[in-house]
Amino acid sequence: EAQVTQNPRYLITVTGKKLTVTCSQNMNHEYMSWYRQDPGLGLRQIYYSMNVEVTDKGDVPEGYKVSRKEKRNFPLILESPSPNQTSLYFCASSSDSDIGPQHFGDGTRLSIL
Amino acid sequence: GESVGLHLPTLSVQEGDNSIINCAYSNSASDYFIWYKQESGKGPQFIIDIRSNMDKRQGQRVTVLLNKTVKHLSLQIAATQPGDSAVYFCAEPLWAGSGNTGKLIFGQGTTLQVKP
Repeated sequence: EAQVTQNPRYLITVTGKKLTVTCSQNMNHEYMSWYRQDPGLGLRQIYYSMNVEVTDKGDVPEGYKVSRKEKRNFPLILESPSPNQTSLYFCASSSDSDIGPQHFGDGTRLSIL
Repeated sequence: GESVGLHLPTLSVQEGDNSIINCAYSNSASDYFIWYKQESGKGPQFIIDIRSNMDKRQGQRVTVLLNKTVKHLSLQIAATQPGDSAVYFCAEPLWAGSGNTGKLIFGQGTTLQVKP
C-alpha cells in the first residue's frame, strides 16, 4: 500500500530536549515536505526536499532542521524545542514526473512543555 | 505573492443535499489545482485535481469547476453524506523556473458539517 508514515504520532516533551520526527514514503517519490498546521494559520511549509541531499527552507524553517540522506526518508529535527513549536506536523511526498498531488502522512502531534 | 483562499470557513448542509465549497486564487498563471479532504485526526487526503486546460472534472460524487476568468474554483459534492464531514482545502503547487518546487500553497480550509 502506497503510504507516508510518520513516527511518533504523539509526543509530549520538554523545552530544550532534542527530538526527531521520522517520515518514510514507499512510493519512490523525489519530493518530500514538512508542514505544520495551527488553528487559524492553516498548513505552512517548514522545509522541503527535491531529491536526495537537496533541501530548502519553506515558510517557517526557524527552529527546525531536516536531512535527506535516502530517497525514502525525510526526518524533521528539533534541536532545542520550544513551546511555540507545539503543533500538528505533516510529512508529504510527491513525484516530479508530472504535476500531481502530494500524499500526506497522518500527522504527528507535538506538545512542548 | 500567490495566495489561495476559501470563501467560507464553515458550511452546514443537510444529509442528501449537494454541497458547494468555493476557492479563489490570485495567480492567473496557475495551471493546476488540488482539493484535499482532512478528517479529524488524519492528514489531508487527495480528492480530485484539475488542470487549467479543463473547466470541469468529475469524480465519484465530486465535481470540480474551474473558472479562469474570475480565478475561482469550486468543489461540488453530490448527495452529501455524514462521512463527508471534514475540512476541505484547495491547493496549488508553486512552480519555479526549474519546475515543481514541491511546495503547495493551501487555502485556509472550509469545514463541512453534515446534519442528519
